[in-house]
Amino acid sequence: AQKVTQAQTEISVVEKEDVTLDCVYETRDTTYYLFWYKQPPSGELVFLIRRNSFDEQNEISGRYSWNFQKSTSSFNFTITASQVVDSAVYFCALRGGGANSKLTFGKGITLSVRP
Amino acid sequence: DTGVSQDPRHKITKRGQNVTFRCDPISEHNRLYWYRQTLGQGPEFLTYFQNEAQLEKSRLLSDRFSAERPKGSFSTLEIQRTEQGDSAMYLCASNGLAGEREQFFGPGTRLTVL
Repeated sequence: AQKVTQAQTEISVVEKEDVTLDCVYETRDTTYYLFWYKQPPSGELVFLIRRNSFDEQNEISGRYSWNFQKSTSSFNFTITASQVVDSAVYFCALRGGGANSKLTFGKGITLSVRP
Repeated sequence: DTGVSQDPRHKITKRGQNVTFRCDPISEHNRLYWYRQTLGQGPEFLTYFQNEAQLEKSRLLSDRFSAERPKGSFSTLEIQRTEQGDSAMYLCASNGLAGEREQFFGPGTRLTVL
């Protein structure tokens, strides 16, 4: 069975602060895929990044960076110099490597960035 | 590039009524997914189509729920004899291009059962 745990429920920061959102996952699959999605107040889930289990390279995209560590089953997301527009609910999700394509989501982290 | 669309965006119904939602995936995508999201939770998988074939159904999908994708394009999700516990956001997603594992979500249909 797949499981995603986002232990943080709500985080509040002041604009320009750095913030890290934690994600821990469980799977028995040797091949799997991890994702982060953003859900702004409008409600639509926006895809941010995918990481394959066989690629442990960290990734940076502008103010966003992701740290994937198989040894600790974690896939953490850092926003550098946060902005008010980053305020949203962030979900980590897991997909197994077999024919089953479904995503298993964590409960999400509500990030509030205050001006 | 047109994204995933869903209709209606909001639906209010009385307990016991039937409701139907529609999802139009991104046109080149052959896989279509339905999820349900309740307040304060992440989306939960309901069912999945590859072209017109329904390949998996979650245990969450009781016999009051039925989904179709008759021509492998749009899909409908019907809930019969709605209950208050069915109140949720119903999300549709699609993917299917070569090597694509991420799913692209529509805006959702928010169902309120009174």
